[in-house]
Amino acid sequence: DQQVKQNSPSLSVQEGRISILNCDYTNSMFDYFLWYKKYPAEGPTFLISISSIKDKNEDGRFTVFLNKSAKHLSLHIVPSQPGDSAVYFCAASPKAAGNKLTFGGGTRVLVKP
Amino acid sequence: DAGVIQSPRHEVTEMGQEVTLRCKPISGHNSLFWYRQTMMRGLELLIYFNNNVPIDDSGMPEDRFSAKMPNASFSTLKIQPSEPRDSAVYFCASSLRLYGEAFFGQGTRLTVV
Repeated sequence: DQQVKQNSPSLSVQEGRISILNCDYTNSMFDYFLWYKKYPAEGPTFLISISSIKDKNEDGRFTVFLNKSAKHLSLHIVPSQPGDSAVYFCAASPKAAGNKLTFGGGTRVLVKP
Repeated sequence: DAGVIQSPRHEVTEMGQEVTLRCKPISGHNSLFWYRQTMMRGLELLIYFNNNVPIDDSGMPEDRFSAKMPNASFSTLKIQPSEPRDSAVYFCASSLRLYGEAFFGQGTRLTVV
């Protein structure tokens, strides 16, 4: 039972263009969402988060959008840079459970110079 | 701060042997999490502690797995006896509080032959 799904296993984008990563969830108890980036042989690194009381959160080149009615969130990276090439994980948790994160399967992003 | 420190980085052991993975969280962080990453199941939470107390171990796959946090600066994940299907990357993460950004260690790649 995959409660958090990232349906695109990979994404290729040209440097300078926008990268859009999508994530769907099924558990209506989730109200805190995060994106992590992971390079090979390293642990995931926190990127950006959003609480269910918001529909958008922006941090530099990274923006996360949340559509609660659709149980969908997305991560926009603008402009994409070669250093953004990594695996991106969407994660979610119910507020009552704090950091008990459920992760999606990840999307591998390749930014071509 | 050096971040979350895990040891060893790589472990190869024979089936039936006991394996102990170690984690030093970031100083001052109150919550500690053990995750496992496999190709089949992705990143999944095994157990987490808050103020050294286990809060939720529902993700621990079997009784062969046990975790302890004897003090605020050290945690272990033990597998006894180990089996080939335990082969995975095990991540430890810590956070300042139960609800918020979690910082991950670099992981321990376990291979059970």
